[in-house]
Amino acid sequence: DAGVIQSPRHEVTEMGQEVTLRCKPISGHDYLFWYRQTMMRGLELLIYFNNNVPIDDSGMPEDRFSAKMPNASFSTLKIQPSEPRDSAVYFCASSLSGGSSYNEQFFGPGTRLTVL
Amino acid sequence: DQQVKQNSPSLSVQEGRISILNCDYTNSMFDYFLWYKKYPAEGPTFLISISSIKDKNEDGRFTVFLNKSAKHLSLHIVPSQPGDSAVYFCAAIDRGSTLGRLYFGRGTQLTVWP
Repeated sequence: DAGVIQSPRHEVTEMGQEVTLRCKPISGHDYLFWYRQTMMRGLELLIYFNNNVPIDDSGMPEDRFSAKMPNASFSTLKIQPSEPRDSAVYFCASSLSGGSSYNEQFFGPGTRLTVL
Repeated sequence: DQQVKQNSPSLSVQEGRISILNCDYTNSMFDYFLWYKKYPAEGPTFLISISSIKDKNEDGRFTVFLNKSAKHLSLHIVPSQPGDSAVYFCAAIDRGSTLGRLYFGRGTQLTVWP
């Protein structure tokens, strides 16, 4: 299995531009998570989906951020308009549900976003 | 509001010595704890976990200790190796919650020098 795939790996854009990050989860996984890593806040959960349905988006910082999962193999995180403080590494992760047990989350390599 | 805290942003240890990484949590409903390891330019990968019904879990050179009364856990690496140099994230989950989300700390950068 190729693991979780994210694109692009690096994105440099100017303030005010729209940014779209993409994620392909591991086939068969029914949970998908979007995280953001910064020095100040560490690894914070933005939003996650179960069976393509958003379950908890309380971590999405502002209305400028939106996420979609149109099918089981694809998700996007969009920032519009982007601001310099959005600069961070964005990770996508997926896992397989296991009832009351915990199932490991597998992370993608991340997208390093720089907003100038 | 950080429910999982790693108060040491960095730790430097000589090769062969023990590395101890600490983590504190505030939510008494957390019942499963994990450590993830992250190398530069890669995503975090699962390292070791422990259930709240245990106080110790060992996997090779890695041991996690849990002190529920103090809401504290630690990761011991013995002996430390240069390849262990990475950022270590502590995470916790309330498996009884319908939300099923992980809460991460800010991470500790471990550097193991020869």
